[in-house]
Amino acid sequence: GAVVSQHPSWVICKSGTSVKIECRSLDFQATTMFWYRQFPKQSLMLMATSNEGSKATYEQGVEKDKFLINHASLTLSTLTVTSAHPEDSSFYICSARGTGDSYEQYFGPGTRLTVT
Amino acid sequence: GQNIDQPTEMTATEGAIVQINCTYQTSGFNGLFWYQQHAGEAPTFLSYNVLDGLEEKGRFSSFLSRSKGYSYLLLKELQMKDSASYLCAVMDSNYQLIWGAGTKLIIKP
Repeated sequence: GAVVSQHPSWVICKSGTSVKIECRSLDFQATTMFWYRQFPKQSLMLMATSNEGSKATYEQGVEKDKFLINHASLTLSTLTVTSAHPEDSSFYICSARGTGDSYEQYFGPGTRLTVT
Repeated sequence: GQNIDQPTEMTATEGAIVQINCTYQTSGFNGLFWYQQHAGEAPTFLSYNVLDGLEEKGRFSSFLSRSKGYSYLLLKELQMKDSASYLCAVMDSNYQLIWGAGTKLIIKP
């Protein structure tokens, strides 16, 4: 149980275009989803926290107009990287937390974004 | 500020035991997690400690001392597949995970 999927697993896009990444909880309802970014050989960096039906809370330094997050249902959250630039190339990982007492986060497999 | 410290890299021999330490200073404490992350993959959950003491789960054990702000992950009977980064993360008073930079564990035959 507690499976989280991400789509696509990797994507290459041209500078200036937008890319949407989907995060789905397959067998549980996720009231809270988290979006992380990880550059090579660095730790996870939390970008934003989203709760179903409400606006995402962005971490300091993360541009909310550039990284659009939508958590429209208890099983789906999307991250859209708008007007992507090469410096946005990174490994984007989502995680989901269920509705129970456990605070464990279940991670998706990640999406590797390359902007050319 | 909030801070999680763990060694950058460790090397151990197949079949041996290794202990990865993690010290933390956070605003509040609601538990400490250990995750394993292989290169190019997302983290996978290993353990969760919220009370002091040792939690054993197969070859992996995790220890917590809240008074010392200290935890360790103990890996026994090391296998080559254990080569990975091990991430220590603390849940703060807002139930947000604060992540350490990770410890890259290299297993040699």
